[in-house]
Amino acid sequence: TQLLEQSPQFLSIQEGENLTVYCNSSSVFSSLQWYRQEPGEGPVLLVTVVTGGEVKKLKRLTFQFGDARKDSSLHITAAQPGDTGLYLCAGHGQNFVFGPGTRLSVLP
Amino acid sequence: SQTIHQWPATLVQPVGSPLSLECTVEGTSNPNLYWYRQAAGRGLQLLFYSVGIGQISSEVPQNLSASRPQDRQFILSSKKLLLSDSGFYLCAWSPLRDSGYTFGSGTRLTVV
Repeated sequence: TQLLEQSPQFLSIQEGENLTVYCNSSSVFSSLQWYRQEPGEGPVLLVTVVTGGEVKKLKRLTFQFGDARKDSSLHITAAQPGDTGLYLCAGHGQNFVFGPGTRLSVLP
Repeated sequence: SQTIHQWPATLVQPVGSPLSLECTVEGTSNPNLYWYRQAAGRGLQLLFYSVGIGQISSEVPQNLSASRPQDRQFILSSKKLLLSDSGFYLCAWSPLRDSGYTFGSGTRLTVV
């Protein structure tokens, strides 16, 4: 069974700081997705990456897929309180699996 | 545009009572449909998925069941709820199996 690990589990930072969260596996994925979930709501798809080494930018968010397609990172520049939420990665390999998430809190 | 509706938003049910959660999708045909459960603030566990009417795959053995009576309708049911069934239930759809998901707003189920 393919598994995804995410780190850190929790992250609390001040508004304006930069941060990076990670999604790792020992398995290869054909694609990987990032979602953000706010309390009491369903996750919302942010991005899908499919090519090893691929970098995608979404405003202040930068997503990278590892060269070996086993890991991914999400970097947020100048974090804002609106970035607060649970960030989930999900990978499409033998199965489609979600990581446990990183809970981000951005304090004003 | 496509939309997904899930209800109710919250539900408090006694142990042993039945359950029926409904999910409908609009604006698309033959969607892949999914039911997930999420433990408090954590990742998602796939419960059921369906690629067509009457076609249900179960990922986790449990006292829950799912049905797809219509192309864009997905129902999660239980005959007798357990305390361990409490959680946040999410319905989702995708155009292809395991492509990007669109989630409903979820149902918070508390079994008391």
